[in-house]
Amino acid sequence: SQTIHQWPATLVQPVGSPLSLECTVEGTSNPNLYWYRQAAGRGLQLLFYSVGIGQISSEVPQNLSASRPQDRQFILSSKKLLLSDSGFYLCAWSRYGGSYGYTFGSGTRLTVV
Amino acid sequence: AQSVTQLDSQVPVFEEAPVELRCNYSSSVSVYLFWYVQYPNQGLQLLLKYLSGSTLVKGINGFEAEFNKSQTSFHLRKPSVHISDTAEYFCAAWTGKLIFGQGTTLQVKP
Repeated sequence: SQTIHQWPATLVQPVGSPLSLECTVEGTSNPNLYWYRQAAGRGLQLLFYSVGIGQISSEVPQNLSASRPQDRQFILSSKKLLLSDSGFYLCAWSRYGGSYGYTFGSGTRLTVV
Repeated sequence: AQSVTQLDSQVPVFEEAPVELRCNYSSSVSVYLFWYVQYPNQGLQLLLKYLSGSTLVKGINGFEAEFNKSQTSFHLRKPSVHISDTAEYFCAAWTGKLIFGQGTTLQVKP
C-alpha cells in the first residue's frame, strides 16, 4: 500500500533562518506531488506541484521554493523565513493527475518567531 | 474559473442530531467532487468522492453526500453525529487541479 511521510511534525524557527521540509511517498512510482499551506482561519492554499523529477510549478509567488530531487521526494525550502510563513504545511500525492483525489501527509506546524 | 463555496464556516450541533454541511461549486465542465475531514493538527482524510454514476455517495464514518448537478451542490450529511465527528470539513472539486472550499468547522456538543 502507499504511504506518505512528512517531517518534522512541528518546527519553531526564528525570522531570517532557512527552512527545509521533506515529504516522501512509498509504494508508488511517478506520483504527482503537492505542497499546500493552511494559515490560521484560512482554507488550503496550493503552493507548488510537481508531475516529475525536477518539474516544479509554482501557484503563488512567495518566499518559498520547492524541489523534487527524486521521484518520490518533495522538498519545501526557504532561504530566509518571514513571520508570514507561519502555518500548517501539508504534502500530498496523487496518481493519474489527481482525478481520484489526493492523499495527504500528517502535516508540519511551522511557527516563525 | 472554478470555485468551491462552503456556505457555513461553523456548524454547531448536539450529539446524535443530524447534520448537513453545504457545498456549492462552479464549473463550466464536468467535475469530480470530494469531501475531506481534518482533525486538529492532522492531515486531511478522504471521506468520500463523486466521480460518476449514482448521485448519492456513501463514505466512511457514516457520512454520505448527494451530487446535484442542477443546483451545482454536493452537500455532506450524517443522520446522527458523535462527539468524535468534531473536526474541520473541506469540500473540494477537481477539474485538472483540486480546488478546496474554505472549510466548515463541525462542533458536536454533548
